[in-house]
Amino acid sequence: DGGITQSPKYLFRKEGQNVTLSCEQNLNHDAMYWYRQDPGQGLRLIYYSQIVNDFQKGDIAEGYSVSREKKESFPLTVTSAQKNPTAFYLCASSGGQGLVEQYFGPGTRLTVT
Amino acid sequence: LAKTTQPISMDSYEGQEVNITCSHNNIATNDYITWYQQFPSQGPRFIIQGYKTKVTNEVASLFIPADRKSSTLSLPRVSLSDTAVYYCQYPGGYSTLTFGKGTMLLVSP
Repeated sequence: DGGITQSPKYLFRKEGQNVTLSCEQNLNHDAMYWYRQDPGQGLRLIYYSQIVNDFQKGDIAEGYSVSREKKESFPLTVTSAQKNPTAFYLCASSGGQGLVEQYFGPGTRLTVT
Repeated sequence: LAKTTQPISMDSYEGQEVNITCSHNNIATNDYITWYQQFPSQGPRFIIQGYKTKVTNEVASLFIPADRKSSTLSLPRVSLSDTAVYYCQYPGGYSTLTFGKGTMLLVSP
C-alpha cells in the first residue's frame, strides 16, 4: 500500500531533551511538509522540502530542524529551544510541480513534561 | 501573507445539505483551493479541489465565485460519520501554505 507513515504514534520526553519524529512516504512524491496542530489553531507549517537536500522554513520553524537526505524520508527534530513542544505533529507529502493535493500521515502526539 | 477565514462550528441533521464557506485574501489567479476533512487524532484527508466555478466529485461539490474571494464546500445529505473538522487551504504548492482554522461540523440524528 502506498502512503505516509509516522512513528511513533505517541511520544513522551522530558523537558530539555531533543526528540526526532519520523516520516516516511512511498508515494514517490517530491514535496514533503511538517505541520504542528494545537487545539483551536488549525495546522501551522513548520518546514517543507521540495526536493532532496533542500528545505525551507515555514511559519513556525524556530526550535525545529529537519533533513531531507532521501526522497522518501523527512525527519523532524524538536529541539530543547522549542518553548512549547507539546502538540500533535503531522507530516504530509505532495506530488509537486503544481500537484497540490497533500497526503497526510497519521500524526505523532508529542508530550513534553 | 495568505489568510483564510472559516466559521468555527456548524450544526446539522442527518440527510441535510451542509455548506461551509471559506473566505480568502490575496489569492493569486493561479491558486487552487483545496478542502480537507479531519477526524480526531488523525491526519487530514483530501476531499475536493478547484480553481474556478464548480467542481463535483463523489462526496462533495466546491463552488468558487468569479471573484475567487471565497469558496463553498457543499456536502449533500450528511450522515453522522460526516462529523469532523473541515479545512480550506490555499495556495497549494510550495509557498507559504495556509490552512484555515477549520470548521467543526456536528451532525445529529
